Order: sequence, then C-alpha cells, then structure tokens
Amino acid sequence: AQSVTQPDIHITVSEGASLELRCNYSYGATPYLFWYVQSPGQGLQLLLKYFSGDTLVQGIKGFEAEFKRSQSSFNLRKPSVHWSDAAEYFCAGRYSGAGSYQLTFGKGTKLSVIP
Amino acid sequence: EPEVTQTPSHQVTQMGQEVILRCVPISNHLYFYWYRQILGQKVEFLVSFYNNEISEKSEIFDDQFSVERPDGSNFTLKIRSTKLEDSAMYFCASSRGQSNQPQHFGDGTRLSIL
Repeated sequence: AQSVTQPDIHITVSEGASLELRCNYSYGATPYLFWYVQSPGQGLQLLLKYFSGDTLVQGIKGFEAEFKRSQSSFNLRKPSVHWSDAAEYFCAGRYSGAGSYQLTFGKGTKLSVIP
Repeated sequence: EPEVTQTPSHQVTQMGQEVILRCVPISNHLYFYWYRQILGQKVEFLVSFYNNEISEKSEIFDDQFSVERPDGSNFTLKIRSTKLEDSAMYFCASSRGQSNQPQHFGDGTRLSIL
C-alpha cells in the first residue's frame, strides 16, 4: 500500500539558518507529491507540488523541494528560515494514474524557530 | 485568491446526535473531498465527490457518513449518529480537475463529541 513517511516529528532551527524537512514515499509508480503547511488554528496551505518534469520545484514563501527517485524522497528546503515559518509541515502523495485521487499524508513535522 | 470556506470553525455535539459540516469549495472547482485529522494522528482521506456522486471513499466512510451538494455552492458532510471517536478536525478540499491539479484545503471544522 502507498505510504508517506516523515521521519522527524519535531525540528528546531535558529532564525536565518537553513532548513531541510525529510519526506519519503512508497508507491508502486512515481506518485504526485505535495508539501502543505499548517499554522496554528489554520488549514492546510499548499506550498508546492511535483507532478513530473524538473525534479527541483519552487513553491511559495521561498520554499523548494527536490524529487529524488533513487532515494524515494521529496525533501523540503529553505535557505534562510524566518520566525513566521514556525508551523507544522505535511508531505502528501497521490497515485499518478487514474482511479484514485486521495492524498496520503505523512504524520507531519513541527518546526520551531529560535529567534 | 479564492479559497475553500468551512463552517462552523468549531462544533460541539452530544454523542448520538446528527451533525452537518459545511463547506463552500472554490467556485470553478469540480472535485470535492473530505479529510479528517484526529488529534495527534495523520490527516486521513474520507471521501471524494464529483458530478453529484461519490467517486472514492475510504474504510472510515461507513454508513454513518454521507455527503451532499445541495446547491451550486455548498458541499456538506453529515454524520448521522455521532460517536466519541468522531471527534476530530474535518477538512474540506476542492480541486479543478483530478489528473494533475492540487487539492486546496479549508481551515477545517473542529468537531468535539461529548
């Protein structure tokens, strides 16, 4: 069965430091992949998406993610973290073929930012 | 930027009562979804809806659950007889298409069953 794994439950970084959040997937074929962010009391906001093509995708708020087929990974990165980036981040995957369009989510990684 | 709107933001209901959660998807979107997130757990898919019928549902979406698009703008999730374990955050999402279109989520409704 398809799955998405986020190995880190909680990460703390200093403001201005770089960030990488890990995501691994397990699907029969290359899935579509997404990163969402959830600020406290808010919904899930789409940061970026990967469907096909260029393996480095750019998103909103200065985030990017790189799809690596050989590692079954889709890690989220940001070169310099701002205090407002403190939130919970969810990686999600979806079967790329027809017939099933449900998203499968990882457990999320909570990001804390130290001033 | 258009967004998915959910009401209410918080619903408190007695066990055994019926509850209806409401969503207004983005206006030009055709595909609608419900997900839930029990506290401390993953976001889980419940159901997808297209062309006035369910296109996919999970094991969670049993006979206690139903969805409806009662008019051209609303999309509702009904839980017929709520149980304590239905307490969760419920998210509505919509997408323009299914093939390579992302799903956009609302802010969620926190459902508390007493």
